[in-house]
Amino acid sequence: TQLLEQSPQFLSIQEGENLTVYCNSSSVFSSLQWYRQEPGEGPVLLVTVVTGGEVKKLKRLTFQFGDARKDSSLHITAAQPGDTGLYLCAGDSDSNYQLIWGAGTKLIIKP
Amino acid sequence: GAGVSQSPRYKVAKRGQDVALRCDPISGHVSLFWYQQALGQGPEFLTYFQNEAQLDKSGLPSDRFFAERPEGSVSTLKIQRTQQEDSAVYLCASSPRGTSTDTQYFGPGTRLTVL
Repeated sequence: TQLLEQSPQFLSIQEGENLTVYCNSSSVFSSLQWYRQEPGEGPVLLVTVVTGGEVKKLKRLTFQFGDARKDSSLHITAAQPGDTGLYLCAGDSDSNYQLIWGAGTKLIIKP
Repeated sequence: GAGVSQSPRYKVAKRGQDVALRCDPISGHVSLFWYQQALGQGPEFLTYFQNEAQLDKSGLPSDRFFAERPEGSVSTLKIQRTQQEDSAVYLCASSPRGTSTDTQYFGPGTRLTVL
């Protein structure tokens, strides 16, 4: 069974600090997606990583896919209150349509 | 904008009532997904449609849950004889093709509270 574990479950930090959240599995994924979900809204795709070792940057957000394609990380530099939300990772499953979802990291950035 | 819309946004039901949740996907999107999301958790897959065909309903928790997409666009998730454990946010997502690398576009969800 493919599982994705996200850590930490909850993180509360001050504006301006840096942080890293993780998405780990014992299974290999062909691709991983990162979503951010704000309260009262649905998840919104941030990035898709498909190549082992790949690094993608989205402004202050840096996403990395592990060399073995079993894990991924999201690093935020100089966090801002607007980064507050639930960060979810999702990987492709054995089916060709279904995603395996992590439980998410709830991030709060205090002004 | 022509995003995914869901209605109602909030629904309160008494235990035992039937409810119907509606999803309007992005026009032209082939695939439609329903998810259940508990507070602070990731989405849990319920069911998947490709056009009007329901190809996977393995995530539906019980036979009280029923979903349809008769014309390949709007979808309805129906829950019969609601129970307290059905309380959750129900998310709908659509994607252009439905492959696992496709972007899924989510609606805002319907928050169901069963009293």
